[in-house]
Amino acid sequence: QSVLTQPPSVSGAPGQRVTISCTGSSSNIGAGYDVHWYQQIPGTAPKVLIYGDTNRPSGVPARFSGSKSGTSASLAITGLQAEDEADYYCQSYDSSLSGSVFGGGTRLTVL
Amino acid sequence: QVQLVESGGGVVQPGRSLRLSCAASGFTFSNYGLHWVRQAPGKGLEWVAVIWYEGINKDYGDSVKGRFTISRDNSKNTMYLQMNSLRVEDTALYYCARARGDSSGYFDFWGQGTPVTVSS
Repeated sequence: QSVLTQPPSVSGAPGQRVTISCTGSSSNIGAGYDVHWYQQIPGTAPKVLIYGDTNRPSGVPARFSGSKSGTSASLAITGLQAEDEADYYCQSYDSSLSGSVFGGGTRLTVL
Repeated sequence: QVQLVESGGGVVQPGRSLRLSCAASGFTFSNYGLHWVRQAPGKGLEWVAVIWYEGINKDYGDSVKGRFTISRDNSKNTMYLQMNSLRVEDTALYYCARARGDSSGYFDFWGQGTPVTVSS
């Protein structure tokens, strides 16, 4: 059972918009700690997609965006492309655990 | 360019020990914290441990606390994970990742991982 809760799977057709939620608690996201998002293509290492709730590293397309409110955060992907098919993970810090925590991951399928 | 290369993984029996290494290059090693993150087969990411700068400050995930020890040698640009009393549930691909920011920061570069299998 992950500290941060994500839906196991989402799907969308090419060109559509999808969102992936990440729900935490008052000791992590709700405490104001940053939320970060990673993309992992099967068989490869994770890659940071969004950091500090809403920031994109250079090279990450603007189709990817992040938001946060209360004890939850979301990753939005617009203009879905076949290459976006991957696993997505949220990550934050938990003050009760004194360490980083991940969501359970969401598998994105492009129909 | 930043590179992180893990090594030391393998097959080990329950209760035995293993030491993983993470060799870094392309950045000033002592200026960054470093993490171990693991991924069991077909499962999600799990944070294992972090070590900061000179190696004094460290933290561990609950599942490995008391069994694993993280360390670093800044003269060799290398981080280690000493894993003792290994359990079947420690079977995973172990990644090292560079910390960006403080404890609430993110992992900006990752290695390719080294596999650990704990089995009798």
